[in-house]
Amino acid sequence: DVKVTQSSRYLVKRTGEKVFLECVQDMDHENMFWYRQDPGLGLRLIYFSYDVKMKEKGDIPEGYSVSREKKERFSLILESASTNQTSMYLCASSHTTGSAGNTGELFFGEGSRLTVL
Amino acid sequence: GEDVEQSLFLSVREGDSSVINCTYTDSSSTYLYWYKQEPGAGLQLLTYIFSNMDMKQDQRLTVLLNKKDKHLSLRIADTQTGDSAIYFCAESYGSDGGSTLGRLYFGRGTQLTVWP
Repeated sequence: DVKVTQSSRYLVKRTGEKVFLECVQDMDHENMFWYRQDPGLGLRLIYFSYDVKMKEKGDIPEGYSVSREKKERFSLILESASTNQTSMYLCASSHTTGSAGNTGELFFGEGSRLTVL
Repeated sequence: GEDVEQSLFLSVREGDSSVINCTYTDSSSTYLYWYKQEPGAGLQLLTYIFSNMDMKQDQRLTVLLNKKDKHLSLRIADTQTGDSAIYFCAESYGSDGGSTLGRLYFGRGTQLTVWP
């Protein structure tokens, strides 16, 4: 069974703390993504990566950074958490489109709900 | 490919059909998707349709694609209370080099509530 695993389902942090959100996939996918989800705003892309050590900014990268040292792992880092970063964070992965039989489907983790006090 | 629009709420009675509508902007999208999100969980792919198709049926689900109007719909027949969830429409990025990055653009999601 294919799987995207996010290390923490629920976190509570204080303003100014450094926060690490970890994501691991076991499908040998090239692409990995971090989204945040807020009510009424849908999913907004923070960062994505299409290869080890590669990263691209999404639509809302400010206040975040990422790390992809290994193909299966993509970490989201909040250098100094702020209350407006309270949100649900979703990690996803996919194969590069164009591969035979590949529909470009994203596989999602269960989400990490972060509260910043 | 950045404006995917869908209504935010839909309520139906158990046993009725539900129709969730979506409009997208990128005419070169290769695939269009419907994802389902149950409370407190991540998104799961419900179904997808390739851009050269008009319709796809999968058990209780029917997807209709009108490429001319850039309109996608999801019909759920005999809707059950277990179908209550948020449904997201998504399109793949265009057919240029960006598509190899696998980026999808999502609508804001439609909250489907099914009343017994």
